[in-house]
Order: sequence, then C-alpha cells, then structure tokens
Amino acid sequence: DAGVTQSPTHLIKTRGQQVTLRCSPKSGHDTVSWYQQALGQGPQFIFQYYEEEERQRGNFPDRFSGHQFPNYSSELNVNALLLGDSALYLCASSSYSFSNTGELFFGEGSRLTVL
Amino acid sequence: KQEVTQIPAALSVPEGENLVLNCSFTDSAIYNLQWFRQDPGKGLTSLLLIQSSQREQTSGRLNASLDKSSGRSTLYIAASQPGDSATYLCAVRGSNYKLTFGKGTLLTVNP
Repeated sequence: DAGVTQSPTHLIKTRGQQVTLRCSPKSGHDTVSWYQQALGQGPQFIFQYYEEEERQRGNFPDRFSGHQFPNYSSELNVNALLLGDSALYLCASSSYSFSNTGELFFGEGSRLTVL
Repeated sequence: KQEVTQIPAALSVPEGENLVLNCSFTDSAIYNLQWFRQDPGKGLTSLLLIQSSQREQTSGRLNASLDKSSGRSTLYIAASQPGDSATYLCAVRGSNYKLTFGKGTLLTVNP
C-alpha cells in the first residue's frame, strides 16, 4: 500500500518564478492538506482540498494556490516566488469521513530553495 | 488562536534512559493530538494519535498522555536507543480540522 507520495523531492528556483508541487494521497484517502515548514520551525497549514475544492485556508497570500483532481491527487502552486518561500512543503492525506478524529499521514516533502 | 509549545527545544541523553517530552496548547477545544517523528530533511512519521476523549495511547516503547483540561500532553520514551534520535513534533487538531504544530524537540540519544 503506497503511502503519500510527493514530487519533486528537491528543486531550486529564482525569485519571481513560479513552482508547482505534486502530491498523491494514501490509498483510500480523499482529502489533501498542504503545509509549509521553514527551517527549525513546525509545519504551518496552507490549505486543505476535498472534492476538488479548497475547504480551509491558513494565513498564506493568494500567491499560494492549489488544485485537486478527480483521482484525489493535488498540486500546490506558488507564484512570484520570494526568498522567504524557501521551505519544505509537506502534503498530508486523510479521509474526510474522519475529519475530526482521523489520523493524518504525511509525505516526504518537497524541498524548495529560492535564490 | 491555538498555540502549541514544546519543551525542551533540545534534549541529549545517554542510551538506555527513559525520557519525557512535553507539549502544551492554549485552547483546550481540540478533537485530537498527534505526535510525529521527523528525521533531518525528511517528512513526518506519525507515532501516536490521542482522541480528545482518551487519556493515553501506547505503541511499543512509546506512551503518550493527554490532559485536555490543562492543555498538556507528554510523550514518554522508554529505554531510549540511538535510533530514536530525531525531532519530535506535537500537533493538535481544532474545530477547523487543521493541525497546529509546535516547533518540536530535537532528541539526541548518545551510544
């Protein structure tokens, strides 16, 4: 049973560029959440997708956007990259039926470096 | 706004010691609390999930407790091993379904 998979694992961009990160949830899960983890910090919630719609959003600017596909996989897009966007981006999957009580499973993350 | 604090920020112990990691949160209206392990540059591995109605959960050498009324949780690791060296993160799930994380405790177990 494949867990949460993310791609790419590492990438380097320059300021002002755009980036797309991808996530496939754990088998049987239908909800994907994205988190940003800066060095030495705990992960911060970006947003959550269910049924191809953004359901919850954290305190992130509109430069951060996402999408969920019919097969439950998801993309995170960041436009007009800033140096401060350098971080580990983590995808978490869960089952919406257990939104309150269910366990979240995380992928290995995508390490983004902005130069 | 929920805030999660983990103490200590770093801990170094000799192999074989029992140890306790602490987590506190400001808003007791939570659905559950989850402990994670993170190795350097890697993703998060779920260790234990405690529902708000539960007092503790155990898995092998790990035991996590939850006192929702006082806003505290502890992760107890018995007979620590060098392979336990990692950052341990505590996260609480509130009514908006998102996880709020602490900054973690960096644990080093010396052989």
